[in-house]
Amino acid sequence: GAVVSQHPSRVICKSGTSVKIECRSLDFQATTMFWYRQFPKQSLMLMATSNEGSKATYEQGVEKDKFLINHASLTLSTLTVTSAHPEDSSFYICSAAPRTYGYTFGSGTRLTVV
Amino acid sequence: AQSVTQLDSQVPVFEEAPVELRCNYSSSVSVYLFWYVQYPNQGLQLLLKYLSGSTLVESINGFEAEFNKSQTSFHLRKPSVHISDTAEYFCAVSDNLGGSSNTGKLIFGQGTTLQVKP
Repeated sequence: GAVVSQHPSRVICKSGTSVKIECRSLDFQATTMFWYRQFPKQSLMLMATSNEGSKATYEQGVEKDKFLINHASLTLSTLTVTSAHPEDSSFYICSAAPRTYGYTFGSGTRLTVV
Repeated sequence: AQSVTQLDSQVPVFEEAPVELRCNYSSSVSVYLFWYVQYPNQGLQLLLKYLSGSTLVESINGFEAEFNKSQTSFHLRKPSVHISDTAEYFCAVSDNLGGSSNTGKLIFGQGTTLQVKP
């Protein structure tokens, strides 16, 4: 149990286009989900906290208009990278905490902007 | 604010040798500590956690970690490593246990690359 599914696993897009990444909790409800960004050989940096039915909470330095987060249901949060540029290329990971033992992570999305 | 420091960016070790991956944290409140493992191009898998109780926690694949409050540490150890243990290891801290009303954050250390050599 406690599976988080993330899709797509890899995406390549042209500079200036938008990309949507989905994060689904498969067997539990998640009122809160988290979006992380990971650069090569680096740690995970929390980008934002996604709250079901309300606005996301962004970490300092993260552009709200660049990284749009929607959490319209208890099992789905989406991250849209708008007008993507090569510097947005990264590994994006979502997570949720289904119960009181910790956090479950999606398998990640490798975004490459060319 | 909470923070996590992993003192070693890379740890090379020979197969069947013991290993310790160091983790120190800072927090002004009670903490919950985690170790995660990440294989290339994959998400994170929970290795073990300290929530409360016994300060020594173990995983099913031979890893263990000890919570030391006085030294604010949560070092990860394994007495004999395998090639398959080669991966990135992340120490993390949270002030929240999670659950349906979770609003807490998981703060990660910089990560340690464990390289097991034959």
